[in-house]
Amino acid sequence: NAGVTQTPKFRVLKTGQSMTLLCAQDMNHEYMYWYRQDPGMGLRLIHYSVGEGTTAKGEVPDGYNVSRLKKQNFLLGLESAAPSQTSVYFCASSYSLLARQETQYFGPGTRLLVL
Amino acid sequence: KQEVTQIPAALSVPEGENLVLNCSFTDSAIYNLQWFRQDPGKGLTSLLLIQSSQREQTSGRLNASLDKSSGRSTLYIAASQPGDSATYLCAVSRDDNNDMRFGAGTRLTVKP
Repeated sequence: NAGVTQTPKFRVLKTGQSMTLLCAQDMNHEYMYWYRQDPGMGLRLIHYSVGEGTTAKGEVPDGYNVSRLKKQNFLLGLESAAPSQTSVYFCASSYSLLARQETQYFGPGTRLLVL
Repeated sequence: KQEVTQIPAALSVPEGENLVLNCSFTDSAIYNLQWFRQDPGKGLTSLLLIQSSQREQTSGRLNASLDKSSGRSTLYIAASQPGDSATYLCAVSRDDNNDMRFGAGTRLTVKP
């Protein structure tokens, strides 16, 4: 049982390049989330998914797209990377609705640097 | 818009000391509040979750309290140990959406 895993762990991009971050969970969770963490700002929700084939926008969705083709995977895409997207990205998953009594399980993070 | 603030941003204490971390939020219409621990280069681990109808939760040496009306929560750590060194984040969620708002965290260092 690996929990929540993220690929890659670290990546350097040039402005305008594209990439996809992969999140995988083996806990059969319905809900999955992508956050970004910036110094002094805490975590902010980018997009989330309440089940296979569904996605929704969070607090800071601009510049990102997501897909949930399989229940265990949640992909975060950057079509044209910008320096403002330099951040640490965390994926999380949970059994049920975020606001219910069920915590989220977090992955180890992906550190992205956009030059 | 919900704003979550954690003070202090950093705290250093000697081993064995009891300490309190603070979290405040601007909108009292929350469903629950969670405290997380984050180790350097790692993800978040949930420590305690308090429902809006509850006043406190305890787990081992940790005790979290919630005063929803005043928009405040505290995390009390008893008999601190060097292994408690980490960043502690609080987060609040509302009932009508999936948006969990985080504070920026308090970086705790417990010196042997």
